Amino acid sequence: EPEVTQTPSHQVTQMGQEVILRCVPISNHLYFYWYRQILGQKVEFLVSFYNNEISEKSEIFDDQFSVERPDGSNFTLKIRSTKLEDSAMYFCASSERTSGSNEQFFGPGTRLTVL
Amino acid sequence: AQSVTQPDIHITVSEGASLELRCNYSYGATPYLFWYVQSPGQGLQLLLKYFSGDTLVQGIKGFEAEFKRSQSSFNLRKPSVHWSDAAEYFCAVARGSGGYQKVTFGTGTKLQVIP
Repeated sequence: EPEVTQTPSHQVTQMGQEVILRCVPISNHLYFYWYRQILGQKVEFLVSFYNNEISEKSEIFDDQFSVERPDGSNFTLKIRSTKLEDSAMYFCASSERTSGSNEQFFGPGTRLTVL
Repeated sequence: AQSVTQPDIHITVSEGASLELRCNYSYGATPYLFWYVQSPGQGLQLLLKYFSGDTLVQGIKGFEAEFKRSQSSFNLRKPSVHWSDAAEYFCAVARGSGGYQKVTFGTGTKLQVIP
C-alpha cells in the first residue's frame, strides 16, 4: 500500500541553524501539506501546496518557513533560523485530486529538537 | 472558521468495557469528519471518516462513529476496549472538496485502559 514517507525521523539542531525536513508524498497525489504538533498539544495546520505554489498558510507559517517541491517526488519544509519553540513533531500529508473525500494521508513525522 | 472540541482530555476504561469519545465540531457547511489515533511517539493513523451517506461509519480496529448533524457531533465508539487501544485519539474536521482541504484537529483525548 502506498504511503507518505518522511526523513529524517529525528533531527537535532542548534538554535539559529537552518533545517530541511523532507517528505515523499504518495506518487499520484497533487496536494501537499505540513502540520506541526508541539509536545503534548494538538496537531496544527501549517501550509498547503498545490501546483507549485502555496494554497494556504497559517499564522504560524511566517517568513522563517518555506516549502518547495524541488523535483517530482520530494516535498520539503525549510526553517531558516530555528528557534527553541520550533521543537515539535512535523507531519507531512498528501491527497489526490478527486471529487468528494480527498482524504489526507499522513507520514510518520519528523521530530525536530532545537537546542 | 472550522473548529473541533473534544471535551474529555483523559478517559480511563477497563479492558472489555465499552468506550465513547466525544467530539463536537463547528463548521458552516457539510463537514468532512475524521478520527485519528496516535500511539506515543508515533504518527497519525486514520480510524474512520465521514463524508456523506450513512451517518454511522465503521472503521478499523472495531471502531465506529456516528454523525449527528443536529448535535454537531461525531462521537467515536467501541463496544469492547482492548489494552492495545490505549493511545491518544484526535477528532478532525476538514473543509473544502474536490481538491485542497485544510484539516483542523481537536485537542485530543488520551485513553488509558486498565486491566
